[in-house]
Amino acid sequence: DAKTTQPPSMDCAEGRAANLPCNHSTISGNEYVYWYRQIHSQGPQYIIHGLKNNETNEMASLIITEDRKSSTLILPHATLRDTAVYYCIVAPTSGTYKYIFGTGTRLKVLA
Amino acid sequence: DAGVIQSPRHEVTEMGQEVTLRCKPISGHNSLFWYRQTMMRGLELLIYFNNNVPIDDSGMPEDRFSAKMPNASFSTLKIQPSEPRDSAVYFCASTRLAESYEQYFGPGTRLTVT
Repeated sequence: DAKTTQPPSMDCAEGRAANLPCNHSTISGNEYVYWYRQIHSQGPQYIIHGLKNNETNEMASLIITEDRKSSTLILPHATLRDTAVYYCIVAPTSGTYKYIFGTGTRLKVLA
Repeated sequence: DAGVIQSPRHEVTEMGQEVTLRCKPISGHNSLFWYRQTMMRGLELLIYFNNNVPIDDSGMPEDRFSAKMPNASFSTLKIQPSEPRDSAVYFCASTRLAESYEQYFGPGTRLTVT
């Protein structure tokens, strides 16, 4: 079973920030939080990952709560091309590289 | 870089036939993963290899499924005999162990078993 819980769907207006939440209350100390997205019919695409500090890259920002039990992926200025299913995954940093994908959040960016 | 290459992109076969899916990982990557995606079960890890050695095949559904990685640049997933419930999109992904946190996914093979 997936170790994460995400809302099944969200809408966001184009140009606005999209904030996608994820609960991972059973996360272990050696597990990272990863975010991937899957645009219709394509293979999943890596977005960002983090351990306990907030992270930012050219695609998104990742905010992890201090207790690490939840996180939020932020797409600062959503575009129509960001419409996709977003998956939050927790996995160890070493040993096994086994991802368990949940059902994800289907984000629809509206014009 | 061409990315992860999978072939064929689409496969339609009849129940009972053997099906072989192929994957070429990104050059220099030493870990390879096979996933299956269906509407009912979502995206599932079937098996993964590190340095061409199968590490975890607990996701392989039945003995009808087998996977090999004869060298660092090629892997196959075989289903024999195929059944209609095997219809799915099969993804291959690769990464460079201990150097990258990112799995790079291929475009997938859409398998239809009639």
